[in-house]
Amino acid sequence: GAVVSQHPSRVICKSGTSVKIECRSLDFQATTMFWYRQFPKQSLMLMATSNEGSKATYEQGVEKDKFLINHASLTLSTLTVTSAHPEDSSFYICSARGSGPGETQYFGPGTRLLVL
Amino acid sequence: EDQVTQSPEALRLQEGESSSLNCSYTVSGLRGLFWYRQDPGKGPEFLFTLYSAGEEKEKERLKATLTKKESFLHITAPKPEDSATYLCAAGKAAGNKLTFGGGTRVLVKP
Repeated sequence: GAVVSQHPSRVICKSGTSVKIECRSLDFQATTMFWYRQFPKQSLMLMATSNEGSKATYEQGVEKDKFLINHASLTLSTLTVTSAHPEDSSFYICSARGSGPGETQYFGPGTRLLVL
Repeated sequence: EDQVTQSPEALRLQEGESSSLNCSYTVSGLRGLFWYRQDPGKGPEFLFTLYSAGEEKEKERLKATLTKKESFLHITAPKPEDSATYLCAAGKAAGNKLTFGGGTRVLVKP
């Protein structure tokens, strides 16, 4: 199957700092990438959808100024959590899919963010 | 509103004890029904995509089936390494988003 990587896998930061998470599709071109957030023992919550070269589409209730998404190329998307606070601590997971109506979303391994 | 509901929430099985997980969906314009496996602290791992009612797919001890209203994931003679959370998700024909169910946590005891 297709491989999606995320970096870093784990990050601890102080309140008020910004954190950038990278998501890369390693062996396919991802026309669309997705960012999810997952709380303990809960399912995935979609935060935003990004298409290469265009602005991300955010889900209702997700602050676009707080969670900056850039999809600079067909293999790279970044999520920047700006001015992070303890309530932003969570497990962030990206996924990527190629073009075509039947394409599957493949997920990265996730990034654990802890804001102190 | 699109909805995906999984049951049961948790399932404890003895090794070798076959069982089924249910995924009920109400999604207009279904593009595909996806099954993923998620281990603790990791991202979901793709298992199957089902596109039309009556379709079945198999992988080792797992078999997924699809009807017009629900999908089942059958686990035959499970082993402890099958312990994980199994997620189903519905993809719509319009747009690329997936709607996820709450997942079923499966624990297989030796």
